[in-house]
Amino acid sequence: GAGVSQSPSNKVTEKGKDVELRCDPISGHTALYWYRQSLGQGLEFLIYFQGNSAPDKSGLPSDRFSAERTGGSVSTLTIQRTQQEDSAVYLCASSLAVVPTDTQYFGPGTRLTVL
Amino acid sequence: AQSVTQLGSHVSVSEGALVLLRCNYSSSVPPYLFWYVQYPNQGLQLLLKYTTGATLVKGINGFEAEFKKSETSFHLTKPSAHMSDAAEYFCAVTSSSGSARQLTFGSGTQLTVLP
Repeated sequence: GAGVSQSPSNKVTEKGKDVELRCDPISGHTALYWYRQSLGQGLEFLIYFQGNSAPDKSGLPSDRFSAERTGGSVSTLTIQRTQQEDSAVYLCASSLAVVPTDTQYFGPGTRLTVL
Repeated sequence: AQSVTQLGSHVSVSEGALVLLRCNYSSSVPPYLFWYVQYPNQGLQLLLKYTTGATLVKGINGFEAEFKKSETSFHLTKPSAHMSDAAEYFCAVTSSSGSARQLTFGSGTQLTVLP
């Protein structure tokens, strides 16, 4: 079946602009995660959603970052007033349920470049 | 708090030689441990995971890892390297207790396979 998809695959923006990154999880997966991969910081957790529960936002680096998940499926990560340090690959993952043994399946990522 | 240390950011082996990628973890509760592989411009793919039970875990593509609690290690091995194994490998940990479900990743090991 279809895996996790993300769009766009690449995004170049100017400092100060807002960007939206989209994630389509695997159908039927109730848990959705966002991670960021950058040269300086490695792979970092940002936020996760579990069904209709309030998301765990503990990894968001600043209030410029927000995310929503509509209808328990598609998720959008929004970065406002982008800064050069936001340049990274943003990875989305989904799992069948939010239990620690469940495999997280990753999308190909969105490469964000802030000029 | 949990953490993962991967010794060796770059490892080179000859084709047909043993692959050994090192991972040590720190966790105050029994951990769940994962190895993921990332090929260029792709997302992460699960190789194997340890949850409970047998401490020697076999994964895809001939890889295996052994959970050693006394050494807080979860090293990844493959008896004979293939050119197609060249990629970046990430060790990750999550907690078996508490509400946090995100993965905490190591900094990654880039594996080069020499002909």
